[in-house]
Amino acid sequence: AQSVTQPDIHITVSEGASLELRCNYSYGATPYLFWYVQSPGQGLQLLLKYFSGDTLVQGIKGFEAEFKRSQSSFNLRKPSVHWSDAAEYFCAITPKTSYDKVIFGPGTSLSVIP
Amino acid sequence: EAGVTQSPTHLIKTRGQQVTLRCSPISGHTSVYWYQQALGLGLQFLLWYDEGEERNRGNFPPRFSGRQFPNYSSELNVNALELEDSALYLCASSSGTRVPDTQYFGPGTRLTVL
Repeated sequence: AQSVTQPDIHITVSEGASLELRCNYSYGATPYLFWYVQSPGQGLQLLLKYFSGDTLVQGIKGFEAEFKRSQSSFNLRKPSVHWSDAAEYFCAITPKTSYDKVIFGPGTSLSVIP
Repeated sequence: EAGVTQSPTHLIKTRGQQVTLRCSPISGHTSVYWYQQALGLGLQFLLWYDEGEERNRGNFPPRFSGRQFPNYSSELNVNALELEDSALYLCASSSGTRVPDTQYFGPGTRLTVL
């Protein structure tokens, strides 16, 4: 079955510290991969996406993600976290055979300590 | 370019009532998706409309329905509201014309059922 796991339910980091949010997927082939961010009470904003090519993807707000096929992972990173980054982060996949189907992970809640 | 818009922002209803939520996609997008985000349950796919037709639906009862208009805007209707319908309802749109595709989300409608 196709699924997305985000092992960390909640992460707390200090402002200025680096951040890595983990994402692993289960799928028979390489899917399309996404990271979204949701601020409290808001909709989801697309941070970045990976379709093919360079496995290191740059996104908005200083975020990047690296696709590792051997580990079925698509981890999100940021070198220096800002207090405004506190939000819920969702990893998602779309199977290449059914582009309408988006499978979301359970999300990781990020808290930032000033 | 305007993003996905949803109305109303908040809604309070009582059990047994009916509700209609509205969504306007990004200009040029023909596909609209509806998701339910209930507390503790993550993002659950509800419905997908494309070119005025319902293309797919998630595992929700028939009292959840909707439609898409010729201008590609969409309505989500929920009949006979139950307490567990309380959630953030998110609408997303995509171009629907190519693979890979990316879904862009609106701010959501917060529904509270008392």
